[in-house]
Amino acid sequence: DQQVKQNSPSLSVQEGRISILNCDYTNSMFDYFLWYKKYPAEGPTFLISISSIKDKNEDGRFTVFLNKSAKHLSLHIVPSQPGDSAVYFCAASSTGANSKLTFGKGITLSVRP
Amino acid sequence: GAGVSQSPSNKVTEKGKDVELRCDPISGHTALYWYRQRLGQGLEFLIYFQGNSAPDKSGLPSDRFSAERTGESVSTLTIQRTQQEDSAVYLCASSFSVEQFFGPGTRLTVL
Repeated sequence: DQQVKQNSPSLSVQEGRISILNCDYTNSMFDYFLWYKKYPAEGPTFLISISSIKDKNEDGRFTVFLNKSAKHLSLHIVPSQPGDSAVYFCAASSTGANSKLTFGKGITLSVRP
Repeated sequence: GAGVSQSPSNKVTEKGKDVELRCDPISGHTALYWYRQRLGQGLEFLIYFQGNSAPDKSGLPSDRFSAERTGESVSTLTIQRTQQEDSAVYLCASSFSVEQFFGPGTRLTVL
């Protein structure tokens, strides 16, 4: 039973446009959400996070939106750059600091020059 | 470097053999996690250490899997009598707060 779902396996966007990566979760106990980026043969790299007490967090070109009532979050990348091409994982945690993460299956983003 | 390191980077073994995977966390990080990623899947939690103790072992898939941690430092994940379904990338992460920092992983192939 997948508690964190990334239903689209891949996304392709043009350089300079917006990339929107979606994530849904089923466990209402999750209270912290993270996005990780992964290049081939490397470990995931932390990108941005959001606490359930917020509905938006922004860091440069990256913004994460959280809709708790819909149990949905999204990562917006604008403008998209070819170097953003990677696999993006959505992850969720239910007990705050030092808690295990539950990951989605990931989405492969390709940014076309 | 200052990041999480793992060894070996690749391990090929025969079914039935034991393997040991090593993780060196970031210095000062009290929490350490093991995950695995099988082909086409997301990361799957295995075990969590806080210091030397493992308060959450709920993700270990069978009693063939075990892990230990020395001090607030190195951890080893041991898989006994490996099976083909154990083939995966095994990832270690450490943290001081909520964000976890991952190593590059060990790719395990069981023939």
